[in-house]
Amino acid sequence: KNQVEQSPQSLIILEGKNCTLQCNYTVSPFSNLRWYKQDTGRGPVSLTIMTFSENTKSNGRYTATLDADTKQSSLHITASQLSDSASYICVVSYFYSGTYKYIFGTGTRLKVLA
Amino acid sequence: NAGVTQTPKFQVLKTGQSMTLQCAQDMNHEYMSWYRQDPGMGLRLIHYSVGAGITDQGEVPNGYNVSRSTTEDFPLRLLSAAPSQTSVYFCASTLRAERNTEAFFGQGTRLTVV
Repeated sequence: KNQVEQSPQSLIILEGKNCTLQCNYTVSPFSNLRWYKQDTGRGPVSLTIMTFSENTKSNGRYTATLDADTKQSSLHITASQLSDSASYICVVSYFYSGTYKYIFGTGTRLKVLA
Repeated sequence: NAGVTQTPKFQVLKTGQSMTLQCAQDMNHEYMSWYRQDPGMGLRLIHYSVGAGITDQGEVPNGYNVSRSTTEDFPLRLLSAAPSQTSVYFCASTLRAERNTEAFFGQGTRLTVV
């Protein structure tokens, strides 16, 4: 069964600290992996999109890694800011029946404290 | 360029009532989709459209109808609201249903069915 699991479920860190969020998936055949940031009461906003051949991709203080062999991805946030408080969602896509399908993780809720 | 616009932002319905959630995008995107987001679950696909006049069912289509008469608009209709349809609904669009195109989400509609 195609699944995306994220950990931890929630995380609290102090401003300025780094953190790493995990995403494990069993989606096949793999097409790409995306990380989204979702602020409370808002829609998800894309952070990175990674294909099978990409190991690392950065977007400012956000760095995503992908290990297609172990089917794991991580999102590293450097020097966290209060505005990083949000849910981070991992999404894995696969191609099926003529179109791309997306499996969403349940997200990691990050709280950054001053 | 407003991106993806959803209306209304909040709605309360009585069981059995019908209503339409509006979604419009001004980016000339071909692919549009509707998701629902429930606590403890990842976003789940309700319906999607790969272009004007073409729609298809997603993972959880029962109780919902869609149409795509123009490229810009993709309304979601609840035929007879049920408490199980209480959720936050997101509309998303991408340029095309291709592997690495970025998805843009609307702000969401929080629907409560009493």
